[in-house]
Amino acid sequence: QKEVEQNSGPLSVPEGAIASLNCTYSDRVSQSFFWYRQYSGKSPELIMSIYSNGDKEDGRFTAQLNKASQYVSLLIRDSQPSDSATYLCAVPSNSGYALNFGKGTSLLVTP
Amino acid sequence: EPEVTQTPSHQVTQMGQEVILRCVPISNHLYFYWYRQILGQKVEFLVSFYNNEISEKSEIFDDQFSVERPDGSNFTLKIRSTKLEDSAMYFCASEASGVLGATDTQYFGPGTRLTVL
Repeated sequence: QKEVEQNSGPLSVPEGAIASLNCTYSDRVSQSFFWYRQYSGKSPELIMSIYSNGDKEDGRFTAQLNKASQYVSLLIRDSQPSDSATYLCAVPSNSGYALNFGKGTSLLVTP
Repeated sequence: EPEVTQTPSHQVTQMGQEVILRCVPISNHLYFYWYRQILGQKVEFLVSFYNNEISEKSEIFDDQFSVERPDGSNFTLKIRSTKLEDSAMYFCASEASGVLGATDTQYFGPGTRLTVL
């Protein structure tokens, strides 16, 4: 099974700052990567997917992928208290059907 | 916006009892999944289902688990004889094409919290 590693945090940033969340994965052949947000007691909600090296931007969110170094990161610009949640990194299984999730990084944005 | 729905939101059962968790995937999706999340732990894949058969299952998905699509809309997870360690949040997810890439994704339902006493 592909391993997906994330720092559990909590990561605390002040409102308006940039939050940087990192994820490393074990399998060099992984082609696509997903960031989900999970509020306490709720289900995972997709934020972004990325499959090419480099940056992908969507509003205040930027995903960065470096396949050579086997890491993917998520930047949240202008962080808001409503961004406080656990951010899950996910990588498809070898079959491509299942998602293997990391344990998630807890983000706290303080007013 | 279409969404995955799950019932019940919370199920309490006695150890050894059978439970059935229900999901209604997004209507034009073809691939269906069950995941679980034990409190404080990561989301874990259980099973994927396509064309009325299991396409992949994890080592967690042993003989006490089964899945079924009894009609054109529902997708169910049955746990035959529940154990204390089955207590978790169970998420159903659906996907249009089954090829996880930048143009496709799995959409998760709100989950069923299963408590085994």
